[in-house]
Formats: sequence, structure tokens, C-alpha cells
Amino acid sequence: GENVEQHPSTLSVQEGDSAVIKCTYSDSASNYFPWYKQELGKRPQLIIDIRSNVGEKKDQRIAVTLNKTAKHFSLHITETQPEDSAVYFCAASNRGSQGNLIFGKGTKLSVKP
Amino acid sequence: EAQVTQNPRYLITVTGKKLTVTCSQNMNHEYMSWYRQDPGLGLRQIYYSMNVEVTDKGDVPEGYKVSRKEKRNFPLILESPSPNQTSLYFCASSLALWPGELFFGEGSRLTVL
Repeated sequence: GENVEQHPSTLSVQEGDSAVIKCTYSDSASNYFPWYKQELGKRPQLIIDIRSNVGEKKDQRIAVTLNKTAKHFSLHITETQPEDSAVYFCAASNRGSQGNLIFGKGTKLSVKP
Repeated sequence: EAQVTQNPRYLITVTGKKLTVTCSQNMNHEYMSWYRQDPGLGLRQIYYSMNVEVTDKGDVPEGYKVSRKEKRNFPLILESPSPNQTSLYFCASSLALWPGELFFGEGSRLTVL
């Protein structure tokens, strides 16, 4: 089955710096890669996702890149702000597996003012 | 308001006492899923359902049961809870998983003594 590794587990940056979180997946059939953000005490919420037919996707200060050959994808946050502090989860799924969405273990991002 | 509602939000129980965590969504979503969240382990899928009367095991189904008799409801049943089921549980729903945004409930924090 699919296995998703996420690094780093914790990340601390200064406000205004960029943050990068990386994930690798094992199943070459995986073709949908969402990222969820979970603020302290809250539920996870989707922030961006990418399909395997796209190499990069941007939404304001966040972007996701996908390297299918290397089976890894990354979340990039530019101009970080204190409200970006949260736990971020990557996930992978493939259409053939139907309901199986596998999450990474999460990255706790702290943005220091 | 579109939402996923879980009950109870907090519960302390004892080993062996059957309990049910209810989950209801009002978005007419076909897909529903249960996850448990433990420190350092991320979100692990317990069971999921692609539609009414269709359920399947996730990665950690042992000790849990589910049913999907109606589209809107997807209860999680712990027939004989044990301390290792102490966790934060999230129910989630989606119009379609691939690709589709998962909408999470607020979470149910369960403690088994």
C-alpha cells in the first residue's frame, strides 16, 4: 500500500521568510496530492492540492510542486506570517484505490514575529 | 450552513464499555471517512464509505465498526474500548474523494481508562 513520508517534523522560521515542507510517496499510481492545515485545537482544512498531470500550482503565498519521477511533492509558503503557524499534513491518493487517502505524519510550522 | 457534526466532542469512558461516536453531514456527500489523530503519527484512516451500504477498512480498523445506512450518517462504534483507543477522532466527508476536498468535523476526544 501507499506510504507517505513527510519532513521535517518541526520547522521554525522568522516572519517574512519562506518555508518548505517535503513529502515522498511510495505508490507510483498515486495521482492526487492534497495539503491540509490544522491550527491548534481546530480541524484540518484543505489549503491546496495538485493532480499528477500538473507540475506546479500556486495560490497567493502558497505553492505546491510535484516531481512524479522522484515521487515527491513539496509545499512552499512565501512571506510567512504568524497566522501560518500550524501543523501541515500532506496526503496521497490514487483513483484506483478509491477511498484510501494516506496522510503524512505532519509538520509543525512555527513562524516567529 | 454546510457542516460535519460529531458527537460527543469529549468523552471519558472505561475499558469494555461500548460506545458510539456519531457523525452527520448535511452536504449530500457520498464519501465519508473516520480518522484518528495521535501525537507523532498524523492522521490514520480507520474506515471509509464510498456510499450508502458501502464501507471498507482503512489502515487501522481493528477494534472499530462502522455502518452507513443513510447517506448523511456514518457512526463509529467501539464495541469494547481499550486504552490504546484513547485518541482524537475526526469524521470527514467529501463529494468525491478523487479529487475532492475533505470536510472535517470538529473532532471527538476520547479517553479510555
